[in-house]
Amino acid sequence: KAGVTQTPRYLIKTRGQQVTLSCSPISGHRSVSWYQQTPGQGLQFLFEYFSETQRNKGNFPGRFSGRQFSNSRSEMNVSTLELGDSALYLCASSREMNTEAFFGQGTRLTVV
Amino acid sequence: QKEVEQNSGPLSVPEGAIASLNCTYSDRGSQSFFWYRQYSGKSPELIMSIYSNGDKEDGRFTAQLNKASQYVSLLIRDSQPSDSATYLCAVNVLAYNQGGKLIFGQGTELSVKP
Repeated sequence: KAGVTQTPRYLIKTRGQQVTLSCSPISGHRSVSWYQQTPGQGLQFLFEYFSETQRNKGNFPGRFSGRQFSNSRSEMNVSTLELGDSALYLCASSREMNTEAFFGQGTRLTVV
Repeated sequence: QKEVEQNSGPLSVPEGAIASLNCTYSDRGSQSFFWYRQYSGKSPELIMSIYSNGDKEDGRFTAQLNKASQYVSLLIRDSQPSDSATYLCAVNVLAYNQGGKLIFGQGTELSVKP
Protein backbone atom coordinates (compact mmCIF):
# COMPACT_ATOMS: atom_id res chain seq x y z
CA LYS A 1 0.00 0.00 0.00
CA ALA A 2 1.50 3.31 -1.06
CA GLY A 3 2.23 5.85 1.63
CA VAL A 4 1.75 9.59 1.62
CA THR A 5 3.43 11.19 -1.36
CA GLN A 6 4.66 14.76 -1.31
CA THR A 7 6.05 16.66 -4.25
CA PRO A 8 8.45 18.18 -4.82
CA ARG A 9 10.98 16.91 -2.27
CA TYR A 10 13.17 19.99 -2.45
CA LEU A 11 12.56 23.57 -3.49
CA ILE A 12 14.65 26.72 -3.57
CA LYS A 13 12.73 29.96 -3.96
CA THR A 14 13.53 33.65 -3.78
CA ARG A 15 11.97 36.05 -1.27
CA GLY A 16 8.70 37.45 -2.56
CA GLN A 17 7.90 34.47 -4.77
CA GLN A 18 5.09 32.04 -4.15
CA VAL A 19 5.19 28.26 -3.94
CA THR A 20 2.70 25.38 -4.19
CA LEU A 21 3.30 22.04 -2.51
CA SER A 22 1.37 18.88 -3.28
CA CYS A 23 0.30 15.93 -1.15
CA SER A 24 -1.36 12.66 -2.15
CA PRO A 25 -2.75 10.83 0.87
CA ILE A 26 -2.85 7.10 1.49
CA SER A 27 -5.60 5.48 -0.55
CA GLY A 28 -8.85 5.59 1.40
CA HIS A 29 -7.72 8.37 3.71
CA ARG A 30 -9.96 11.42 3.63
CA SER A 31 -8.23 13.82 6.03
CA VAL A 32 -5.06 15.70 5.16
CA SER A 33 -3.13 17.94 7.54
CA TRP A 34 -0.11 20.13 6.94
CA TYR A 35 2.71 20.91 9.36
CA GLN A 36 5.78 23.08 9.34
CA GLN A 37 8.95 21.84 11.02
CA THR A 38 11.85 24.12 11.91
CA PRO A 39 14.74 23.59 14.33
CA GLY A 40 13.59 26.46 16.53
CA GLN A 41 9.83 25.93 16.62
CA GLY A 42 9.57 22.21 16.08
CA LEU A 43 6.50 20.74 14.41
CA GLN A 44 3.65 23.22 14.09
CA PHE A 45 0.15 22.64 12.74
CA LEU A 46 -0.83 24.64 9.67
CA PHE A 47 -4.27 23.35 8.68
CA GLU A 48 -6.48 20.30 8.25
CA TYR A 49 -8.75 19.43 5.34
CA PHE A 50 -11.56 16.91 5.24
CA SER A 51 -14.14 16.50 2.48
CA GLU A 52 -12.64 19.45 0.63
CA THR A 53 -13.28 21.76 3.61
CA GLN A 54 -10.75 23.34 5.91
CA ARG A 55 -11.68 22.06 9.37
CA ASN A 56 -8.98 23.61 11.49
CA LYS A 57 -6.27 26.20 11.10
CA GLY A 58 -3.09 26.95 13.05
CA ASN A 59 -1.57 30.30 13.94
CA PHE A 60 0.02 31.17 10.64
CA PRO A 61 -0.45 34.31 8.55
CA GLY A 62 -2.87 34.42 5.65
CA ARG A 63 0.03 33.94 3.23
CA PHE A 64 -0.33 30.26 4.01
CA SER A 65 -3.33 28.66 2.35
CA GLY A 66 -4.43 25.29 1.15
CA ARG A 67 -7.12 23.30 -0.51
CA GLN A 68 -8.29 19.74 -0.93
CA PHE A 69 -9.66 18.14 -4.05
CA SER A 70 -12.46 15.62 -4.43
CA ASN A 71 -9.91 12.76 -4.61
CA SER A 72 -8.53 13.90 -1.22
CA ARG A 73 -5.29 15.17 -2.71
CA SER A 74 -4.23 18.45 -1.17
CA GLU A 75 -2.10 21.43 -2.02
CA MET A 76 -0.73 24.18 0.14
CA ASN A 77 0.38 27.55 -1.12
CA VAL A 78 2.67 30.12 0.43
CA SER A 79 2.66 33.57 -1.14
CA THR A 80 5.17 36.39 -0.75
CA LEU A 81 7.82 34.08 0.64
CA GLU A 82 9.99 35.26 3.52
CA LEU A 83 13.34 33.91 4.67
CA GLY A 84 11.64 32.58 7.80
CA ASP A 85 9.44 30.31 5.69
CA SER A 86 12.44 28.06 5.09
CA ALA A 87 11.39 24.78 6.67
CA LEU A 88 10.40 21.18 6.16
CA TYR A 89 6.73 21.07 5.20
CA LEU A 90 5.03 17.83 6.13
CA CYS A 91 1.73 16.44 5.02
CA ALA A 92 -0.07 13.81 7.09
CA SER A 93 -3.05 11.73 6.06
CA SER A 94 -5.66 10.08 8.27
CA ARG A 95 -8.53 7.78 7.47
CA GLU A 96 -10.93 10.14 9.23
CA MET A 97 -10.52 13.29 11.29
CA ASN A 98 -8.84 12.76 14.66
CA THR A 99 -7.47 9.31 13.83
CA GLU A 100 -3.88 8.11 13.41
CA ALA A 101 -1.88 10.38 11.13
CA PHE A 102 0.82 9.14 8.78
CA PHE A 103 3.39 11.54 7.41
CA GLY A 104 4.86 11.90 3.97
CA GLN A 105 8.56 12.45 3.33
CA GLY A 106 8.14 16.20 3.35
CA THR A 107 9.11 19.06 1.11
CA ARG A 108 12.27 20.92 2.09
CA LEU A 109 11.73 24.59 1.18
CA THR A 110 14.65 26.99 1.19
CA VAL A 111 13.97 30.69 0.69
CA VAL A 112 16.97 32.76 -0.38
CA GLN B 1 2.97 26.71 29.81
CA LYS B 2 3.56 24.79 26.59
CA GLU B 3 0.68 22.58 25.45
CA VAL B 4 2.87 19.48 25.20
CA GLU B 5 6.14 19.22 27.07
CA GLN B 6 8.92 16.69 26.79
CA ASN B 7 12.42 16.49 28.21
CA SER B 8 14.65 17.54 25.34
CA GLY B 9 17.46 15.21 26.35
CA PRO B 10 19.64 13.92 25.00
CA LEU B 11 18.82 10.69 26.78
CA SER B 12 21.64 8.19 26.59
CA VAL B 13 21.12 4.52 27.47
CA PRO B 14 23.31 1.45 26.94
CA GLU B 15 22.27 -1.21 24.47
CA GLY B 16 19.81 -3.66 26.03
CA ALA B 17 18.56 -1.21 28.66
CA ILE B 18 15.08 0.28 29.04
CA ALA B 19 14.63 3.81 27.69
CA SER B 20 11.90 5.86 29.36
CA LEU B 21 10.47 8.90 27.58
CA ASN B 22 7.99 11.23 29.24
CA CYS B 23 5.45 13.78 28.10
CA THR B 24 2.92 16.05 29.82
CA TYR B 25 0.06 17.93 28.19
CA SER B 26 -2.22 20.78 29.20
CA ASP B 27 -5.55 20.18 27.39
CA ARG B 28 -7.70 18.03 29.71
CA GLY B 29 -10.15 17.35 26.88
CA SER B 30 -7.61 15.52 24.73
CA GLN B 31 -8.51 11.91 23.99
CA SER B 32 -5.84 10.73 21.55
CA PHE B 33 -2.12 10.47 22.16
CA PHE B 34 0.67 9.39 19.86
CA TRP B 35 4.37 8.70 19.82
CA TYR B 36 6.38 9.32 16.67
CA ARG B 37 9.98 8.45 15.93
CA GLN B 38 12.01 10.75 13.70
CA TYR B 39 15.42 9.86 12.38
CA SER B 40 17.70 12.72 11.40
CA GLY B 41 16.71 14.06 7.99
CA LYS B 42 13.57 11.92 7.82
CA SER B 43 9.89 12.50 8.48
CA PRO B 44 8.09 11.39 11.67
CA GLU B 45 7.00 7.76 11.80
CA LEU B 46 4.05 6.70 13.95
CA ILE B 47 5.08 4.02 16.43
CA MET B 48 2.33 4.03 19.09
CA SER B 49 -1.14 5.39 19.66
CA ILE B 50 -3.02 5.28 22.98
CA TYR B 51 -6.52 6.42 23.87
CA SER B 52 -7.35 4.89 27.27
CA ASN B 53 -5.73 5.09 30.67
CA GLY B 54 -3.23 2.34 31.34
CA ASP B 55 -0.60 0.53 29.31
CA LYS B 56 -0.50 -0.49 25.68
CA GLU B 57 2.23 -2.83 24.49
CA ASP B 58 3.49 -3.40 20.95
CA GLY B 59 6.65 -5.45 20.67
CA ARG B 60 9.44 -3.71 22.56
CA PHE B 61 7.36 -0.56 22.98
CA THR B 62 4.93 0.23 25.81
CA ALA B 63 2.90 3.41 25.94
CA GLN B 64 1.40 4.51 29.24
CA LEU B 65 -1.37 7.06 29.69
CA ASN B 66 -2.63 8.74 32.85
CA LYS B 67 -5.29 11.30 31.97
CA ALA B 68 -5.76 12.44 35.58
CA SER B 69 -2.10 13.42 35.73
CA GLN B 70 -2.07 14.52 32.05
CA TYR B 71 0.93 12.32 31.49
CA VAL B 72 2.00 10.03 28.66
CA SER B 73 5.13 7.92 28.54
CA LEU B 74 6.91 5.54 26.20
CA LEU B 75 9.10 2.69 27.35
CA ILE B 76 11.49 1.00 24.95
CA ARG B 77 12.73 -2.35 26.21
CA ASP B 78 15.96 -3.99 25.06
CA SER B 79 17.06 -0.73 23.41
CA GLN B 80 19.05 -1.10 20.20
CA PRO B 81 21.41 1.37 18.49
CA SER B 82 18.83 1.52 15.69
CA ASP B 83 16.41 3.09 18.21
CA SER B 84 18.63 6.19 18.33
CA ALA B 85 16.34 8.96 17.07
CA THR B 86 14.18 11.83 18.27
CA TYR B 87 10.90 10.73 19.83
CA LEU B 88 7.97 13.09 19.48
CA CYS B 89 4.93 13.06 21.73
CA ALA B 90 1.77 14.30 20.01
CA VAL B 91 -1.63 15.10 21.49
CA ASN B 92 -4.76 15.53 19.39
CA VAL B 93 -6.63 18.69 20.37
CA LEU B 94 -10.21 18.91 19.15
CA ALA B 95 -11.62 22.01 17.49
CA TYR B 96 -15.18 23.26 17.88
CA ASN B 97 -16.18 21.95 14.44
CA GLN B 98 -14.97 18.38 15.09
CA GLY B 99 -11.68 19.07 13.36
CA GLY B 100 -8.53 18.45 15.26
CA LYS B 101 -4.86 19.13 15.26
CA LEU B 102 -1.81 17.35 16.54
CA ILE B 103 0.19 19.37 19.02
CA PHE B 104 3.75 18.11 19.24
CA GLY B 105 6.30 18.32 21.99
CA GLN B 106 9.79 19.47 21.13
CA GLY B 107 10.99 15.87 21.08
CA THR B 108 13.43 13.83 23.15
CA GLU B 109 16.67 12.80 21.49
CA LEU B 110 17.54 9.21 22.39
CA SER B 111 21.01 7.78 21.94
CA VAL B 112 21.57 4.04 22.46
CA LYS B 113 25.23 3.22 22.97
CA PRO B 114 26.55 -0.20 21.85
